[in-house]
Amino acid sequence: DQQVKQNSPSLSVQEGRISILNCDYTNSMFDYFLWYKKYPAEGPTFLISISSIKDKNEDGRFTVFLNKSAKHLSLHIVPSQPGDSAVYFCAASAFNNNNDMRFGAGTRLTVKP
Amino acid sequence: DAGVIQSPRHEVTEMGQEVTLRCKPISGHNSLFWYRQTMMRGLELLIYFNNNVPIDDSGMPEDRFSAKMPNASFSTLKIQPSEPRDSAVYFCASSAKQNSYEQYFGPGTRLTVT
Repeated sequence: DQQVKQNSPSLSVQEGRISILNCDYTNSMFDYFLWYKKYPAEGPTFLISISSIKDKNEDGRFTVFLNKSAKHLSLHIVPSQPGDSAVYFCAASAFNNNNDMRFGAGTRLTVKP
Repeated sequence: DAGVIQSPRHEVTEMGQEVTLRCKPISGHNSLFWYRQTMMRGLELLIYFNNNVPIDDSGMPEDRFSAKMPNASFSTLKIQPSEPRDSAVYFCASSAKQNSYEQYFGPGTRLTVT
């Protein structure tokens, strides 16, 4: 069962514009959410996270928004840069079992110069 | 620190053969995770260890898969016998303390079973 879903397998944006990557989850017990970034031939690396007590977390060009009622989160990258081109994974975990992290299938972002 | 080390980086084997994937976590990390990445299901957690003890192996697909962590600096994931549907990228990750959200991933092992 896919408890974390990323319904867009790919996204292409122009350099300088905003990239918006979306993620939906089904398990209401999830209370911590993360985004990982993955370059080819490398493992995923942690990018940004958000706790369920917040609805927004910002780190430089990256902002994650959480809508608990809709069980939806999104990652905004502004402005997008060619170096942001990678696969982005959304992940979620529950407080009582946060070693068990569930990942989405990933969205491949391409930022065109 | 060298980060999480996995070997081999690529493995091609024939159906029915035994495959062993290896992982060296970051020194000092006491949680270790094995994931499998496929196009359809993304990253799936197979098993994780805390302080070398397997905590949850419910993600292991079937009895053909087994994992061990004989000490804090080494873990193996074994598939015996391997099948073509096992073809995927297998990642190992480690984290600094139990119940740590941030996991550090290795580069992965791309397994192809023909």
